Amino acid sequence: DQQVKQNSPSLSVQEGRISILNCDYTNSMFDYFLWYKKYPAEGPTFLISISSIKDKNEDGRFTVFLNKSAKHLSLHIVPSQPGDSAVYFCAASARWGDTGRRALTFGSGTRLQVQP
Amino acid sequence: DSGVTQTPKHLITATGQRVTLRCSPRSGDLSVYWYQQSLDQGLQFLIQYYNGEERAKGNILERFSAQQFPDLHSELNLSSLELGDSALYFCASSARDRNDLGYGYTFGSGTRLTVV
Repeated sequence: DQQVKQNSPSLSVQEGRISILNCDYTNSMFDYFLWYKKYPAEGPTFLISISSIKDKNEDGRFTVFLNKSAKHLSLHIVPSQPGDSAVYFCAASARWGDTGRRALTFGSGTRLQVQP
Repeated sequence: DSGVTQTPKHLITATGQRVTLRCSPRSGDLSVYWYQQSLDQGLQFLIQYYNGEERAKGNILERFSAQQFPDLHSELNLSSLELGDSALYFCASSARDRNDLGYGYTFGSGTRLTVV
């Protein structure tokens, strides 16, 4: 049972246009959401995050939107650049019981290709 | 170079065998997390260690075990290997333990295990 789903395995956009990557989750205990970016032969690297108390967080060309009622988040990249071509993972974090500890649950990733 | 070192990068072994994957965390990081990425799947959380102690367990099979040594490097032991264990195994480290939201994770480049 995948608690974090990225239903689009791939996305292709033209350089300069907007890239929109989507992510859905099922666990209402998730209260922190992150996007990671992964290049070939490298591990994922943190890109941007959002707390469940917000609905938008912006960092330069990257904006993450959270719609809690729909259990949906999206990553917007504007404008898209060829160097953005990578696999993007959505991740969600929830507390484990009373321990205060957390673990990240990842989606299966979306491969973004930005065409020059 | 993320600072998290995983060895070996590639491993090919036969069913029924046992292998050990090694992870050296980023300097100063006390937490180590192991993740498994199978084909078309997200990163599945396996286990976390903090300063030598097991902190959290995810979907880790009984055939798998891990430990973190006094020098903070960690090893993931996979035994009685099956074809379905073929995957990318990632290690991540962070400085924190309790309330770690995930943006502090630094991933290694992974070990690709192929079971034939």
